[in-house]
Amino acid sequence: EAGVAQSPRYKIIEKRQSVAFWCNPISGHATLYWYQQILGQGPKLLIQFQNNGVVDDSQLPKDRFSAERLKGVDSTLKIQPAKLEDSAVYLCASSLDLAGVNEQFFGPGTRLTVL
Amino acid sequence: AQSVAQPEDQVNVAEGNPLTVKCTYSVSGNPYLFWYVQYPNRGLQFLLKYITGDNLVKGSYGFEAEFNKSQTSFHLKKPSALVSDSALYFCAVRDRTSGTYKYIFGTGTRLKVLA
Repeated sequence: EAGVAQSPRYKIIEKRQSVAFWCNPISGHATLYWYQQILGQGPKLLIQFQNNGVVDDSQLPKDRFSAERLKGVDSTLKIQPAKLEDSAVYLCASSLDLAGVNEQFFGPGTRLTVL
Repeated sequence: AQSVAQPEDQVNVAEGNPLTVKCTYSVSGNPYLFWYVQYPNRGLQFLLKYITGDNLVKGSYGFEAEFNKSQTSFHLKKPSALVSDSALYFCAVRDRTSGTYKYIFGTGTRLKVLA
């Protein structure tokens, strides 16, 4: 089966600019996650969707970050305006179930550099 | 709050020797524990999980992990290390609060297998 797709793979922007990331999860996966992975750290959950509803966005900096999952399939994550500390890898993952029992499948990530 | 700790930033082991990557957890209730591996410029890949049942869990690529409730540990092991096992390893725990769940990842342990 096809894996989780993400684009772009790399992005370099100036601070205060905006940027958007796209994720296409594995077909049929109900749950979609966006993580931020700063160099040297583990992934930190930004937002979690179940179908097209938000389950958890407690760690999403809502003054600058936004995300949506259209029709319960694809998702976009946007940053506006970007700050230097947003430089990180943004990982999208999906899983089949709604209870957190099944493993997550991760995309390759988008490496964001903010100058 | 639920948490996981990976006490070692890096583990070095000679090829052919057994390896152990340590993980301890703190949860209320029954823990759901996971191990993931990350190769350079790749997303995380699932290795194995403990939900319930046997304390020794077998996973992908010859890895296994032992759940120890009394020591609140879930160490990753492999009897004979390969150079290709060199990668970044993450332990994760499912955090379930208020009827929803999310995953909390450790900070990662870099495994270096020396030829």
